[in-house]
Amino acid sequence: KAGVTQTPRYLIKTRGQQVTLSCSPISGHRSVSWYQQTPGQGLQFLFEYFSETQRNKGNFPGRFSGRQFSNSRSEMNVSTLELGDSALYLCASSLDAAGKSYEQYFGPGTRLTVT
Amino acid sequence: TQLLEQSPQFLSIQEGENLTVYCNSSSVFSSLQWYRQEPGEGPVLLVTVVTGGEVKKLKRLTFQFGDARKDSSLHITAAQPGDTGLYLCAGANYGQNFVFGPGTRLSVLP
Repeated sequence: KAGVTQTPRYLIKTRGQQVTLSCSPISGHRSVSWYQQTPGQGLQFLFEYFSETQRNKGNFPGRFSGRQFSNSRSEMNVSTLELGDSALYLCASSLDAAGKSYEQYFGPGTRLTVT
Repeated sequence: TQLLEQSPQFLSIQEGENLTVYCNSSSVFSSLQWYRQEPGEGPVLLVTVVTGGEVKKLKRLTFQFGDARKDSSLHITAAQPGDTGLYLCAGANYGQNFVFGPGTRLSVLP
């Protein structure tokens, strides 16, 4: 079974631009979560999508948004990029059968650099 | 707000030594996961523990979930350079987002 895939792997953007990152979960997984990881803040939860609906949300500004499609693939968008948005963005998928979500499997991440 | 603390923050040891890292919280979790992450890559799931007092072994790694399901430990026997990485613990409850600790950065020197 293929793992979680994320595209692109690396991205360089300029302040003020916007960016869209893509995540394809493991086949059959219905929950997709997004995280931002930086050396100073560690792994921070952005949001989780389940059956095309945002189920949980972290403490990030509205510039960060996401969505999930009917095939469970997910995208996240960051508008008006700031230098502080430079980070490794990780996507994780979970089976979440019968309301239980014991395990998450991560993709390789997208390294975003904002200049 | 649920928080997970990990200790130590950094650990540098020689090949062949044993070590234990800890993950603690004041909150109860339905399950707890341990991950290992290498630079520039996503975390890789090592184990999930769901029962208080549960002990799981993965080759030279031993994981234990506390009786009250608030804490966990990871013990590595005879560490090898390939064990080097960032070890993250994460707690989960039904329908809620996963909570991650800050990680323990382990360096095993040959």
